[in-house]
Amino acid sequence: GENVEQHPSTLSVQEGDSAVIKCTYSDSASNYFPWYKQELGKRPQLIIDIRSNVGEKKDQRIAVTLNKTAKHFSLHITETQPEDSAVYFCAAMGFSGAGSYQLTFGKGTKLSVIP
Amino acid sequence: DTEVTQTPKHLVMGMTNKKSLKCEQHMGHRAMYWYKQKAKKPPELMFVYSYEKLSINESVPSRFSPECPNSSLLNLHLHALQPEDSALYLCASSSKPSGRSSYNEQFFGPGTRLTVL
Repeated sequence: GENVEQHPSTLSVQEGDSAVIKCTYSDSASNYFPWYKQELGKRPQLIIDIRSNVGEKKDQRIAVTLNKTAKHFSLHITETQPEDSAVYFCAAMGFSGAGSYQLTFGKGTKLSVIP
Repeated sequence: DTEVTQTPKHLVMGMTNKKSLKCEQHMGHRAMYWYKQKAKKPPELMFVYSYEKLSINESVPSRFSPECPNSSLLNLHLHALQPEDSALYLCASSSKPSGRSSYNEQFFGPGTRLTVL
């Protein structure tokens, strides 16, 4: 099955600086890579995703890059704000072996933006 | 309606109780999921329903029993739980079952915070 590694586990940045979170995956057949933001006590919210037929996608201050050859993808947040503080999970959709695809999550990165 | 709802928000139960968690979506999604999330951990897949049929059961103990009465509703019946089952239980839905297309976003409900005493 799919295995997703996420780094770092914690990240502190000054407000206005950039934050980068990196993930690697093991299944070369995986072709959908979402990122979720989860604030304390709340649901994971999809913030951006990328499909394997593109290398980069941007949405305002958030961007995701994908390198299929190296099997890694990254989340970039520019001009960070205190409200960006949360736990971020990367995920990869791979074949489960049970006859279907399923999301496998990384272990999460706790991002703290210091005002 | 563009979201997934879950009830109750919080549930405290004893190890001999029987309770149910409910999940609802009216987005016409045909795949629904139950995840378990412990503190400071990622969501862990429990069950997947595709077109109201159970398609994935990730070796979950039988004290958890899922049910999908129709395409909008998903239940999780709980019986004889253990304290280690205390967690946030998240429901999610996506437009197509993962097996039909690997390109589909999953949207999560707010979760039910379960405490087993």
